[in-house]
Amino acid sequence: SQLAEENSWALSVHEGESVTVNCSYKTSITALQWYRQKSGKGPAQLILIRSNEREKRNGRLRATLDTSSQSSSLSITATRCEDTAVYFCATDAGGNNKLTFGQGTVLSVIP
Amino acid sequence: GPKVLQIPSHQIIDMGQMVTLNCDPVSNHLYFYWYKQILGQQMEFLVNFYNGKVMEKSKLFKDQFSVERPDGSYFTLKIQPTALEDSAVYFCASSLRPGGYEQYFGPGTRLTVL
Repeated sequence: SQLAEENSWALSVHEGESVTVNCSYKTSITALQWYRQKSGKGPAQLILIRSNEREKRNGRLRATLDTSSQSSSLSITATRCEDTAVYFCATDAGGNNKLTFGQGTVLSVIP
Repeated sequence: GPKVLQIPSHQIIDMGQMVTLNCDPVSNHLYFYWYKQILGQQMEFLVNFYNGKVMEKSKLFKDQFSVERPDGSYFTLKIQPTALEDSAVYFCASSLRPGGYEQYFGPGTRLTVL
């Protein structure tokens, strides 16, 4: 069974708008990471949020973590065309950095 | 930022042949990983490696798979013999520490088994 999954397969926004990608997971975790993958490239980490944290920011990005509902969100404000990518959440359950990825949300930012 | 390199970017081979995928991890990193991504599907963990040993492997890491990093050179994934279902993009990653630290991913090697 899938241990981490994003809740939307695809999202589309206009440049300058804000967007939120949601993720749910099914096991207890030590940390949750948000990655972005652009076409033809490997994933690049955006934010790592540990199980004892509730919110983390990185520039225009904000991640939240709710361990009681086993869910996380990634919000992007003032989106740009270069934010177009697939966004993954990935969980680390055992603390050994064996990441379990969701299927990803395809975000398209329209000029 | 730190970069992980993978060689080659694309490999086409016939079923039954051996293939070696090469990864040049971030220079001071100690933990290494391979992930497999079939087109249109999620990325899945194959194996992690530290201090010359496999720490954990998934059920996708079949007996035909092996990893090594001889004398601090490339971290390699070898498949012998290959099967049609091995066609995928293989991503290498490395991290300085385990347990909730950032993994840096390479650009992937697209393996096509005919």
